[in-house]
Amino acid sequence: IAGITQAPTSQILAAGRRMTLRCTQDMRHNAMYWYRQDLGLGLRLIHYSNTAGTTGKGEVPDGYSVSRANTDDFPLTLASAVPSQTSVYFCASSEGDNTEAFFGQGTRLTVV
Amino acid sequence: GQNIDQPTEMTATEGAIVQINCTYQTSGFNGLFWYQQHAGEAPTFLSYNVLDGLEEKGRFSSFLSRSKGYSYLLLKELQMKDSASYLCAVRDSNYQLIWGAGTKLIIKP
Repeated sequence: IAGITQAPTSQILAAGRRMTLRCTQDMRHNAMYWYRQDLGLGLRLIHYSNTAGTTGKGEVPDGYSVSRANTDDFPLTLASAVPSQTSVYFCASSEGDNTEAFFGQGTRLTVV
Repeated sequence: GQNIDQPTEMTATEGAIVQINCTYQTSGFNGLFWYQQHAGEAPTFLSYNVLDGLEEKGRFSSFLSRSKGYSYLLLKELQMKDSASYLCAVRDSNYQLIWGAGTKLIIKP
C-alpha cells in the first residue's frame, strides 16, 4: 500500500544519545514535514523540505536536524537527546502547497 | 502571534449532530484544513476550505468565513467510530500549516 512509513514506532532513549528517526514516502510528493505532538498542544513543525535538496526550519527546530538527499527520504536527527524532546513525532508529505498532508503512523520517543 | 482556537472537548450522542468550531488569527490565509485523529493514530484528512461557504462530503461538512476568521466542522448522524480528536489547521502566508490543539469528541450511546 502506497504511503508514508516511519521507523521506529517507539523508542526509549538515554539523554545525551544521538538518534535518527526515519521517514520514507512512495507517493513522489515534493514537500515533507516533521512535526512533534505534545498533550494539549497543536502539532508543531520542526523542519520541512519543499523539494529534494532543500530544507527549512519550522517553529521548534532547536536540537533537531534534517536532510533531504532524495524525494523519498526525510530523516530527522536528534544530535544529543534531552528529556524535553520526549514526544510523538509525525512525518508528513504533500504534493503541493494547497493539497492535504499525509501522515506516517508516528514515532513515540521517550528520553530518560 | 498566530493562534488557532478550538474547544478542548465535546460530548455528543450517537445519531445526533455536532458542530466543532475553530477560530484563527494568522499572518495571511491560504486555506483551512480539518483532520481526524483517533487515539494513538496519525491524523487523516477530512476537508479543505479556501473560499467562504460550505463544503459537504457525506456526513461531514465544513464551513469557512474568512472575514470572521472562523470555521466549523459539522458531523451528522454520529457513529461511535466518530469518537476522535478533530484538528483545525490554517495555511499561513508562508504556506506553513498552523495547527490548533484539537477537539476531543466523545460519542455516547
